[in-house]
Amino acid sequence: SYELTQPPSVSVSPGQTARITCSGDALSKKYAYWYQQKSGQAPVLVIYEDNKRPSGIPERFSGSSSGTMATLTISGAQVEDEGDYYCYSTDSSGDYVFGTGTKVTVL
Amino acid sequence: QVQLVQSGAEVKNPGASVKVSCKASGYTFTAYYIHWVRQAPGQGLEWMGWINPNSGGTDYAQKFQGRVTMTRDTSLSTVYMELSRLTSDDTAMYYCARPLNYGGNSGAFDIWGQGTMVTVSS
Repeated sequence: SYELTQPPSVSVSPGQTARITCSGDALSKKYAYWYQQKSGQAPVLVIYEDNKRPSGIPERFSGSSSGTMATLTISGAQVEDEGDYYCYSTDSSGDYVFGTGTKVTVL
Repeated sequence: QVQLVQSGAEVKNPGASVKVSCKASGYTFTAYYIHWVRQAPGQGLEWMGWINPNSGGTDYAQKFQGRVTMTRDTSLSTVYMELSRLTSDDTAMYYCARPLNYGGNSGAFDIWGQGTMVTVSS
């Protein structure tokens, strides 16, 4: 089955830049979406269609995609950005798949 | 305001079925698809499928084919997800979610239900 691979964890100091990668064969043809999930809460959409930011999401969140890799960048990470981040996309048949998830620590 | 409100927690025996509801309000129910996503304790997110509330059309993840059924009641603005032949591996938080695309479908879920915990245990 199709997989989207993410690093298990990323650590960054407050104010620094965090980059989370998502690797998958179909990403060269399919959009990537990114979700933030804090403990005990439903996920929140932070990036859609590779690089679009929903209303209400801070500008420090940005997305890009090149070839088979999508990247979520948090520029000037804040303590409140800690949480789990999941990429999301579709496989060649149109089924949706979540990435393996990345735990972001800001300290 | 726009919201999705799910039914309460369930405890089921192995082999049983569970039916979770997701009631929409604050928007035109038939204009937006609804997806279902689950998350086992301490694990990642898993997509289960979607339903088009306008047509009733569905698409299920291969893993759940034959075991999941998604339906809707337009008079109640409610969608349902029924999962049968439950095992302990189905113990999870189940979420409904709405894409932000009016009249279309995508993976951009901007509205989520609060989640329904389903516990499968004898």
